[in-house]
Amino acid sequence: GQQVMQIPQYQHVQEGEDFTTYCNSSTTLSNIQWYKQRPGGHPVFLIQLVKSGEVKKQKRLTFQFGEAKKNSSLHITATQTTDVGTYFCKIVHNAGNMLTFGGGTRLMVKP
Amino acid sequence: NAGVTQTPKFQVLKTGQSMTLQCAQDMNHEYMSWYRQDPGMGLRLIHYSVGAGITDQGEVPNGYNVSRSTTEDFPLRLLSAAPSQTSVYFCASSRQPGGQPQHFGDGTRLSIL
Repeated sequence: GQQVMQIPQYQHVQEGEDFTTYCNSSTTLSNIQWYKQRPGGHPVFLIQLVKSGEVKKQKRLTFQFGEAKKNSSLHITATQTTDVGTYFCKIVHNAGNMLTFGGGTRLMVKP
Repeated sequence: NAGVTQTPKFQVLKTGQSMTLQCAQDMNHEYMSWYRQDPGMGLRLIHYSVGAGITDQGEVPNGYNVSRSTTEDFPLRLLSAAPSQTSVYFCASSRQPGGQPQHFGDGTRLSIL
């Protein structure tokens, strides 16, 4: 079945360093969404990518969708302590009704 | 709008007990789903519904039942609680299955002794 792998599982960075998380699928995706979950909180929608090669920015966050629509990345420039949390990608699975999440990348930022 | 409301927020059960986790949304969303999140892990889909009267199994449905009698409510039932079901449970809703942001409740933290 359709799977999405997310790497790395954990990332420790010094405040001010950059951070990137990747999602890779074995099949072509119709779209991909990214969510952020703060410690003790619930996932919150960040963005959706639909088009091949699409790049979207939200302040220090840059989201990319691969040309083949099989992979995506989230890049944070100059991390801050407020970026701490787990970042998940989410895909549509099985004819469009089942939504599954990647395993998440937990970001820890040292001040 | 309250968004997605889950009750209770915390619950402790004994092995073998049954209970229902409640989920309600006031956004008139057709698509609702239940996820479980184990410590340090990702979200795994338990059951989902594309509209009132329609439910389907997700990745980890065993030990859980759902029903969708109204658009607003999507309760999750644990039939006979087991320690392996200790987890945080999230309910989510969206206008459609794909292509729309999912809105999550605050979660129910469930411990089974």
